[in-house]
Amino acid sequence: GDSVTQMEGPVTLSEEAFLTINCTYTATGYPSLFWYVQYPGEGLQLLLKATKADDKGSNKGFEATYRKETTSFHLEKGSVQVSDSAVYFCALRSVSSGSARQLTFGSGTQLTVLP
Amino acid sequence: EPEVTQTPSHQVTQMGQEVILRCVPISNHLYFYWYRQILGQKVEFLVSFYNNEISEKSEIFDDQFSVERPDGSNFTLKIRSTKLEDSAMYFCASSPRVESTEAFFGQGTRLTVV
Repeated sequence: GDSVTQMEGPVTLSEEAFLTINCTYTATGYPSLFWYVQYPGEGLQLLLKATKADDKGSNKGFEATYRKETTSFHLEKGSVQVSDSAVYFCALRSVSSGSARQLTFGSGTQLTVLP
Repeated sequence: EPEVTQTPSHQVTQMGQEVILRCVPISNHLYFYWYRQILGQKVEFLVSFYNNEISEKSEIFDDQFSVERPDGSNFTLKIRSTKLEDSAMYFCASSPRVESTEAFFGQGTRLTVV
């Protein structure tokens, strides 16, 4: 079945540091890929997405590129801020029949950015 | 901006009691979902709902669980007889159409079974 493997946390960085959170996946066919973010006390918010190979999703300075050859969707940001402190979830949505709409999530990575 | 709303934000219940978690999806959305996250674990799919019936469900979604859309706005998850292991954060989500890749999530209900 589908699965997402995500870099384990917690990750602690200083403000303005470079961020990478690794994500790899296993899926049938060509899934859509997502990063969701959960700020303290809030729900899951879509951060960015990519629906086909070589697509780059970007939002709020975060980027991730859909790499079919390495089955990866790593999240990056060049300069993190204290306000980026949150839990980040990699997820996929398979387009094969029978699981066309549900999301499969990774385990989440807690990011703490220190001033 | 439209959003998915869940109530209550936190519910404590005794083992064996029935609980109903409530969600108001975004108004023009057609697909509705429940996910849960046991503390420290992955977010797991429970069930999807479309056109007034379940379209998919996971192995977790056994006979103790049921979903309902009792009116045009609410979407509920009922757990008939709660167990300690049902303690988790429950997320409701909705998406507008079949082709949509994006699901919009609520803030979650933290269920604690004691």
